[in-house]
Amino acid sequence: NAGVTQTPKFQVLKTGQSMTLQCAQDMNHEYMSWYRQDPGMGLRLIHYSVGAGITDQGEVPNGYNVSRSTTEDFPLRLLSAAPSQTSVYFCASSPKDRQVAQYFGPGTRLLVL
Amino acid sequence: AQSVAQPEDQVNVAEGNPLTVKCTYSVSGNPYLFWYVQYPNRGLQFLLKYITGDNLVKGSYGFEAEFNKSQTSFHLKKPSALVSDSALYFCAVRDMRSSNTGKLIFGQGTTLQVKP
Repeated sequence: NAGVTQTPKFQVLKTGQSMTLQCAQDMNHEYMSWYRQDPGMGLRLIHYSVGAGITDQGEVPNGYNVSRSTTEDFPLRLLSAAPSQTSVYFCASSPKDRQVAQYFGPGTRLLVL
Repeated sequence: AQSVAQPEDQVNVAEGNPLTVKCTYSVSGNPYLFWYVQYPNRGLQFLLKYITGDNLVKGSYGFEAEFNKSQTSFHLKKPSALVSDSALYFCAVRDMRSSNTGKLIFGQGTTLQVKP
């Protein structure tokens, strides 16, 4: 099992550009989520999905879109990048059982100039 | 509101000494609590969890955590610290407000520095 994979590892964007951060898991997990990590703020939930075709907003959804067409994939789209979106982005997955820990990907470091 | 607090930005200990990283929580109902560790330029790794049962939970790499319901705390401990334990530690609680999500609420993180 590859677990949770994320691409790219690092990306530099100019303000106003768009891009998609990829996330995939091979554990057949129903639940997937995107977090951003900023210094001193822990991890904040951007969007999440409880299954294919079902997504919902988290704590900080503005400027981001998601879709879940398959169980395996959960891409995060930045529509028009802003410097405030400079951050490290983590994708996570878990079974529906809330007693089970989430598995995290290695992260994508994004710099918006 | 549900929340997690880690009151210390950084904890410094000498190698071989015991360590404690503090975490307090505020949730309605019985909490599902987790500790994660993040090494530099890596993702988060699961260390241990408390769901129910024994208040002392043992996890990976010799870490343990003590659940205290009256103090709403879930402190991470290790009897003898190693330099390789130096990392960023996160406490998290499951969001129990909705029945169909697995959302985690994270503390802000505590940097553990173990000096030789």
